[in-house]
Amino acid sequence: QKEVEQDPGPLSVPEGAIVSLNCTYSNSAFQYFMWYRQYSRKGPELLMYTYSSGNKEDGRFTAQVDKSSKYISLFIRDSQPSDSATYLCAMSPNAGGTSYGKLTFGQGTILTVHP
Amino acid sequence: GAVVSQHPSRVICKSGTSVKIECRSLDFQATTMFWYRQFPKKSLMLMATSNEGSKATYEQGVEKDKFLINHASLTLSTLTVTSAHPEDSSFYICSARAVGTYGYTFGSGTRLTVV
Repeated sequence: QKEVEQDPGPLSVPEGAIVSLNCTYSNSAFQYFMWYRQYSRKGPELLMYTYSSGNKEDGRFTAQVDKSSKYISLFIRDSQPSDSATYLCAMSPNAGGTSYGKLTFGQGTILTVHP
Repeated sequence: GAVVSQHPSRVICKSGTSVKIECRSLDFQATTMFWYRQFPKKSLMLMATSNEGSKATYEQGVEKDKFLINHASLTLSTLTVTSAHPEDSSFYICSARAVGTYGYTFGSGTRLTVV
């Protein structure tokens, strides 16, 4: 079983739709949860960063973390064609030493928002 | 915000030659940088953790002698792919975290093609 599972999609939605992206994980040590957006042939760009359980909103993006279920989500409201990209969830344990900063990524979900 | 510059963005080399990829933190100091490899439509795989002034820490299965990492200053880490072969063709990405910020900033990636 992979430490982080993410549905690779692809996911295709019409402009203006609400998009829901999800990841599940098995390592209970994960405390920091991130969502990255990656355009083709580019490095990932940090979208959202959350610590432990709860919700965080930033503009059209909302990140949710449910540690009891080991489940995280990213919601995109009023999706735009420019949101078309690969979305990667990433996680890191809350620990010092060499394990700090070591991110474990999901497989990435390919999202296409069509006009 | 924190910026990580990666160079070159694309390189084609002949089999058996070596290629050096540079990763620079432009507006912050990074004692630790991370090198990832990404195959088409796949997630990022951590290859090694680069530590300024000391030896890199490699992930299991990554050949230390093939992927040489040097982190000689607080703003520069290099990855040298030695005696490259076609199977080394991939997308290589570095990342670093600026103190006081959340998440990790990624470089724009290097597309390596070995012919």
